[in-house]
Amino acid sequence: GNSVTQMEGPVTLSEEAFLTINCTYTATGYPSLFWYVQYPGEGLQLLLKATKADDKGSNKGFEATYRKETTSFHLEKGSVQVSDSAVYFCALSDSTGAQKLVFGQGTRLTINP
Amino acid sequence: SQTIHQWPATLVQPVGSPLSLECTVEGTSNPNLYWYRQAAGRGLQLLFYSVGIGQISSEVPQNLSASRPQDRQFILSSKKLLLSDSGFYLCAWGAGENTGELFFGEGSRLTVL
Repeated sequence: GNSVTQMEGPVTLSEEAFLTINCTYTATGYPSLFWYVQYPGEGLQLLLKATKADDKGSNKGFEATYRKETTSFHLEKGSVQVSDSAVYFCALSDSTGAQKLVFGQGTRLTINP
Repeated sequence: SQTIHQWPATLVQPVGSPLSLECTVEGTSNPNLYWYRQAAGRGLQLLFYSVGIGQISSEVPQNLSASRPQDRQFILSSKKLLLSDSGFYLCAWGAGENTGELFFGEGSRLTVL
């Protein structure tokens, strides 16, 4: 079945550091790929997405590229801020009508000033 | 615009007691609806999804059940809670289009003692 594997956390960085959170997937067909973010005490919100190979999703300085050849969708940001502290989830959507999302285990990111 | 609400936000229940978590969506019709659980230190697990009134699909065998009595209402229930039911429950809706994007509620934290 479909699955998503994320870089294990927690990850702690200093402000303005470069961020990479790795994500690889296993899927049949051509899934859409997502990064969701969960700020403390809140539900999840979509950060960025890519719907086909070589697409780059970007938002709030974050970006990720859909790499079909390596089945990866790594999240990157050039200079993180304290406000980026959150849990980040990589996810894929199957191509069925039910649009179910399969999530990775999440990576907790803490940015220190 | 569309909104999603779930309640209660926090719940502490004894083992063996019943459970009812409610979720409602506004501003859209015939959404796909989902219940996810986020256990401590783990990722999100899809519990149930629904593509229409009265249509419920269960993803994992468990002590919980779901119902969709109205188009924009989704209820998660249990007759007798177990300790292992503790977690953070998230309701989500999707438009059913092939974008895969889901919109999440604020979450309900359940502690079973």
